[in-house]
Amino acid sequence: DGGITQSPKYLFRKEGQNVTLSCEQNLNHDAMYWYRQDPGQGLRLIYYSQIVNDFQKGDIAEGYSVSREKKESFPLTVTSAQKNPTAFYLCASSTGGPGLAGNEQFFGPGTRLTVL
Amino acid sequence: DQQVKQNSPSLSVQEGRISILNCDYTNSMFDYFLWYKKYPAEGPTFLISISSIKDKNEDGRFTVFLNKSAKHLSLHIVPSQPGDSAVYFCAAPRGGGNTPLVFGKGTRLSVIA
Repeated sequence: DGGITQSPKYLFRKEGQNVTLSCEQNLNHDAMYWYRQDPGQGLRLIYYSQIVNDFQKGDIAEGYSVSREKKESFPLTVTSAQKNPTAFYLCASSTGGPGLAGNEQFFGPGTRLTVL
Repeated sequence: DQQVKQNSPSLSVQEGRISILNCDYTNSMFDYFLWYKKYPAEGPTFLISISSIKDKNEDGRFTVFLNKSAKHLSLHIVPSQPGDSAVYFCAAPRGGGNTPLVFGKGTRLSVIA
């Protein structure tokens, strides 16, 4: 079955440590995205990548880093510079192709990160 | 600056009745709108979309209406079912065309049996 996987489901980190969240897709999508959701907030864009080996900052990129070495994978690193890292993190992908349907994003199940 | 606004954080509806979720936007360049449904601790799932060249799109119990002059869209669910209880997000490509989505803050729908 095609889809997006995120691991782990729950992650605990000590303050001051970096942590990497995994995102893998087998949908053959070109574009991938990372969002953060906080209580009462919508989804805020952290980083996105429209093609392998290229990515752009979103609205709240400070304290985060990404890589896109393979089409299927878009890992997100939450660094110690991120002041409020406790949140629900969502990865998504889309075809990124022409036409309006290229905008439809498919989401993974999310990773809940808690900083202790 | 919030380009997509969902001004009602929550909505309660009786089972079998109509649910109407509203969304306002500020950017007249938006050419496509999407609605997502999200259960707790899960990723959002795509529900329905509408192009700016249309004013209505229907899919089963779900209908989205677009009023471009008012920069307003609404999602109608008829009849509402308990399984519809979730958070609904309105979204649009932020730069028009094929660009990352910008999301509203969501409306939590509770359908009461």
